[in-house]
Amino acid sequence: SAVISQKPSRDICQRGTSLTIQCQVDSQVTMMFWYRQQPGQSLTLIATANQGSEATYESGFVIDKFPISRPNLTFSTLTVSNMSPEDSSIYLCSVGSLAGGITVEQFFGPGTRLTVL
Amino acid sequence: AQSVTQPDIHITVSEGASLELRCNYSYGATPYLFWYVQSPGQGLQLLLKYFSGDTLVQGIKGFEAEFKRSQSSFNLRKPSVHWSDAAEYFCAVGPPRGGYNKLIFGAGTRLAVHP
Repeated sequence: SAVISQKPSRDICQRGTSLTIQCQVDSQVTMMFWYRQQPGQSLTLIATANQGSEATYESGFVIDKFPISRPNLTFSTLTVSNMSPEDSSIYLCSVGSLAGGITVEQFFGPGTRLTVL
Repeated sequence: AQSVTQPDIHITVSEGASLELRCNYSYGATPYLFWYVQSPGQGLQLLLKYFSGDTLVQGIKGFEAEFKRSQSSFNLRKPSVHWSDAAEYFCAVGPPRGGYNKLIFGAGTRLAVHP
């Protein structure tokens, strides 16, 4: 399995500001995913990030609010823009492992705990 | 619609007791099935997975899960719980085919272990 790190591990931000979260993987991966876990809730997929193409966003998430970059096969960033207290969540990146061209499982980073005041 | 149901939001067991966490799914076909564990302040760790074949799968930390197609269930079990098993457990399903594996997560079951 891949080793995934995220920065920052946690942050406290003021409303109206933006935060960029970094996700670094120790091996090259095709598929990277960004999830949100709101307090006491399960995980919700924000978007899928492929290297060299635009991220694919899930219903309810838009690029203006959550811009994503994927400059290479080991790195991605998620920006939470114009934050409000409702954005307080844990944000997790994950990577998919491939078998026969199909992503068969995902491995998760440690998460970034964001608090917006 | 595809969905995952974990009926038990919170479970408390005594250390050494057996454990079963329930997971039911609604899906158009047999999906890939996963159990993840999230310890406090941590990310998610994959416990085990089912793709096909033997319906009883073994995972890490002494966990196992059984896929029952007739019941659309994938329940997680452990014969003897340790205090370190206290965590949140998530069942997830993914599409059986396709270019990428979008995971749909259940709401989670929080496990507390009494000494």
